[in-house]
This record gives sequence, structure tokens and C-alpha cells, in this order.
Amino acid sequence: DTAVSQTPKYLVTQMGNDKSIKCEQNLGHDTMYWYKQDSKKFLKIMFSYNNKELIINETVPNRFSPKSPDKAHLNLHINSLELGDSAVYFCASSPRDGGNTIYFGEGSWLTVV
Amino acid sequence: DQQVKQNSPSLSVQEGRISILNCDYTNSMFDYFLWYKKYPAEGPTFLISISSIKDKNEDGRFTVFLNKSAKHLSLHIVPSQPGDSAVYFCAFWDSSASKIIFGSGTRLSIRP
Repeated sequence: DTAVSQTPKYLVTQMGNDKSIKCEQNLGHDTMYWYKQDSKKFLKIMFSYNNKELIINETVPNRFSPKSPDKAHLNLHINSLELGDSAVYFCASSPRDGGNTIYFGEGSWLTVV
Repeated sequence: DQQVKQNSPSLSVQEGRISILNCDYTNSMFDYFLWYKKYPAEGPTFLISISSIKDKNEDGRFTVFLNKSAKHLSLHIVPSQPGDSAVYFCAFWDSSASKIIFGSGTRLSIRP
């Protein structure tokens, strides 16, 4: 059983499209995150949610909108995709807000052409 | 504004020898330090951590050292094994912002 699962794993799409990446965790954790690994390989936090409430919203364009229907799911919707959005997006979860060990999904490779 | 630096993008070590991965940070308020390991096409997985009140933590072949005065964190793997070949990220828990900040990673290759 995959603890943190995200779909799709690979996504190739054209500029201007709208796409979503889904994430689910079966660990019973309260907090979920989206991280982005850019071309320089840095893992940067984008958002965190605790029990469906937005906790962290880094300086991410408004085209990125996370949605958490329940504490086990955190989906990422991206509008009007741009070339610079090409990256690997990792979903993660931790036991609680302030938990200092987080568990990652396998990543979603997004390529915008 | 790079708070965490892993200055060696890659490292090659012979099997059986010691691997030493280094990390520097700038924020003295960090209170928890972690190492993550990442294989290709997989997400990072937690490896080992250390609290700011300690200077060493050991778990099997893995030992993490913290030098707060130098703001330096290191991971020692001994003896190195082929399965250790991966990318290693150092990370820091920023309790003021409730987030983990990652370095850019070091690719470790263990050669026979």
C-alpha cells in the first residue's frame, strides 16, 4: 500500500492548458504539502494544509490553486500552464502541523511544451 | 535567498569506504535537522535527523553531525554500499514557519 500517492506520474501538456495533480495519503496525517523541484533540483515548498485549512502559501502564482476536500486529499490545480511550470511536483504529508518528518509521494513529472 | 547549501552536487566513493556529505545553513533559528535520500523516479525518504540540542546522532551505518557554531551539518555513511547510491538532501525544520527547507541535494555514487 502506497502511503502517499499522487497521479498522474507523468504529464505532458501544452502551454495555456489547465491541469490537475491529485494526491492522497492513507497515513492518517493531519498535514499535507505540495513541493516543487525545479531545474536546479531545489525542493521548495508551495503549500501546506492542516486539516483542510491552508497554513502555508509561499509566493506561488495565483494560477496554482490547491484544494483539500478532506484531510486525506490535497489536489493541485494549475491554470494557464507556462513553460516555466515544467518541474517535478511532490505531494507530502506529516502527522501534524509542526511535524518535523514528512513523507513524500513519488512525484509528478510535469512537462509543458 | 538560499538558507541551505549543499556545495557538492556530486560525490563518488568506493564501496566499503566512508561517504561524507556536507551541508551549510544560515539561519541559526533552525531547531531540527534532517537528511533525506532520493532514488530516481521516487520521492525523497526520511533517513536520519538530529535535534539542535545534540551534536551527533547515530543509526546503524549512518551518523549525522551538527556543528552549530559553524552552522554545518554532515552525514557519514560507513561502510558505503552500492544501495547507498542516491541523491541526499539535507533539510531543516523552521518551526517559526512550520515548514521544512531543503538543500539542492548531493548525488552520491558508490563505485565497486
